[in-house]
Amino acid sequence: DIQMTQSPSSLSASVGDRVTITCQASQDINNYLNWYHHKPGKAPKLLIYDGSNLKTGVPSRFSGSGSGTDFTFTISSLQPEDIGTYYCQQYDDLPITFGQGTRLEIK
Amino acid sequence: EVQLVESGGGLVQPGGSLKLSCAASGFSFSDSAVHWVRQASGKGLEWVGRIRSKANSYGTAYAASVKGRFTISRDDSKKTAYLQMISLKTEDTAVYYCTRWGTSTSDAFDIWGQGTMVTVSS
Repeated sequence: DIQMTQSPSSLSASVGDRVTITCQASQDINNYLNWYHHKPGKAPKLLIYDGSNLKTGVPSRFSGSGSGTDFTFTISSLQPEDIGTYYCQQYDDLPITFGQGTRLEIK
Repeated sequence: EVQLVESGGGLVQPGGSLKLSCAASGFSFSDSAVHWVRQASGKGLEWVGRIRSKANSYGTAYAASVKGRFTISRDDSKKTAYLQMISLKTEDTAVYYCTRWGTSTSDAFDIWGQGTMVTVSS
């Protein structure tokens, strides 16, 4: 199975801060990497697909980059509604696997 | 409205069975692959399995942790997918989400249900 390692596991930042999360795959997954936002009691939401493509309707403060095994997710200016947990997910091979998640809170 | 709605969760004893449903609306269900993803309390998201469309021979695949115990099926006439779970273990306790794998616009889980809670306990 492809292991996805996210870091940090949690972080606290202020409104307006730039936030960066990294995701490392245990093998080359090309750009087959997606990012999701999940709030407790809610359905997860797709933000970024294929490594760097912003889903239609998702605010432009969210972005993704990377290829191969190393990927980065960035929020350029943190907003209060961005709290929750972020997950990376690979689909280069079955089983589909997720990173362990990054819990983001506001200072 | 584009949505997925899960139902059928509840409390079941270890070794018991449960069948979850996932009802779709607002999109072409028959053309879509449906996956199940679960989240145990305090844990991250875990892929459970998937069923592809008729065009892809209704192919199924499962995580090793559930293979042989869980079965995914679908009824396109009812726009509903199912997750049949047998020989349930305490470690299967989780919120179960059904989700669509979108391929026309994005290769990703682009539609999610709100989830249904499954508790395996004596």
